[in-house]
Amino acid sequence: NAGVTQTPKFQVLKTGQSMTLQCAQDMNHNSMYWYRQDPGMGLRLIYYSASEGTTDKGEVPNGYNVSRLNKREFSLRLESAAPSQTSVYFCASSEAPVQPQHFGDGTRLSIL
Amino acid sequence: RKEVEQDPGPFNVPEGATVAFNCTYSNSASQSFFWYRQDCRKEPKLLMSVYSSGNEDGRFTAQLNRASQYISLLIRDSKLSDSATYLCVLSSSGGSYIPTFGRGTSLIVHP
Repeated sequence: NAGVTQTPKFQVLKTGQSMTLQCAQDMNHNSMYWYRQDPGMGLRLIYYSASEGTTDKGEVPNGYNVSRLNKREFSLRLESAAPSQTSVYFCASSEAPVQPQHFGDGTRLSIL
Repeated sequence: RKEVEQDPGPFNVPEGATVAFNCTYSNSASQSFFWYRQDCRKEPKLLMSVYSSGNEDGRFTAQLNRASQYISLLIRDSKLSDSATYLCVLSSSGGSYIPTFGRGTSLIVHP
């Protein structure tokens, strides 16, 4: 009963390095989301995909790109990591944007 | 005014107490409302949806007041295990239905 699976769970990068965070869901959900969570800031939406084939910017998209590879998978890419991107990243999915979301365990990313 | 506002707390209550949180929102077109629970350094988990007529799940009661634009969560007979951060979430109409999270209210239940 996997739900939403994120990889990796932890990562340390150097400034300027690139990496891709992976997310996959097995609930046949149409919508997927990427959030970041920083202390005192709550969850902030980076990008979302309302349905397969579409992606849209959220509240804090700068420095990130996304790919909705298929209905199951939604990846988040940092092209040139910056210390300000140190955060906990959560992927989530839902049947539709107005339905409850199911979250992955999160990726804890540190950029030095 | 922020789109979704919550009192960050912490609310510090003894076991067995009743505690209530409110979440105010500014977009009157908001259509879907939820309460999530988040334990320290873990992912948010759905606690309950909030319906116009109000809904109850065991010790938890959620209500929606559209006229005053707030939702509430009432926890009765608090348990130590209820200690967590409670997030309200809403989705608004306008084409995109992007969900918006409040920053959360911290609850600490002590013996």
